[in-house]
Amino acid sequence: DVKVTQSSRYLVKRTGEKVFLECVQDMDHENMFWYRQDPGLGLRLIYFSYDVKMKEKGDIPEGYSVSREKKERFSLILESASTNQTSMYLCASSTAGGFAEAFFGQGTRLTVV
Amino acid sequence: RKEVEQDPGPFNVPEGATVAFNCTYSNSASQSFFWYRQDCRKEPKLLMSVYSSGNEDGRFTAQLNRASQYISLLIRDSKLSDSATYLCAVNPVGYQKVTFGTGTKLQVIP
Repeated sequence: DVKVTQSSRYLVKRTGEKVFLECVQDMDHENMFWYRQDPGLGLRLIYFSYDVKMKEKGDIPEGYSVSREKKERFSLILESASTNQTSMYLCASSTAGGFAEAFFGQGTRLTVV
Repeated sequence: RKEVEQDPGPFNVPEGATVAFNCTYSNSASQSFFWYRQDCRKEPKLLMSVYSSGNEDGRFTAQLNRASQYISLLIRDSKLSDSATYLCAVNPVGYQKVTFGTGTKLQVIP
């Protein structure tokens, strides 16, 4: 059974904290993605990576950075958490090429207080 | 104009009804199209890919209209278990990024 696992289901952090969200996939996929999902705004792409150490900005990269040191792991970093980063964060992975199904992790609901 | 647009709904339909959703996309070079299903408080899961010739999977039919730049999802004989949010996704040619619509909420009523 294919799996994308996110390190936490729920997180509560304080404003200004550095936050790490971890994602691991066991499918040897080339592509990995970080999205955030907010009511009425849908899934918005923050960053994606198509290979180890490679990354590209998505639609809303401000306030975030990412790290991909190993093929199976993709980390999202909030350098200084702010309340407007309270959201559901979803990691996904896919093989390279078109018609590649994206598999999602279970999501991390982050609350910044 | 948004890259991918969907009517958010909700669509409230009785069991057994047929319901259809559309999703429009702005990039005419888009290559790959998908429908995902997302249950409440769960992650999205692929429902079906959408091929140029259209495709069917049981009660679900997906169609692509390149001229008008939209994809559609038809659900026949709706079941209570079909209640979910349906997300369309589009992948531009030569690009790994997939853009999602905001989703259409379906509620099937007994």
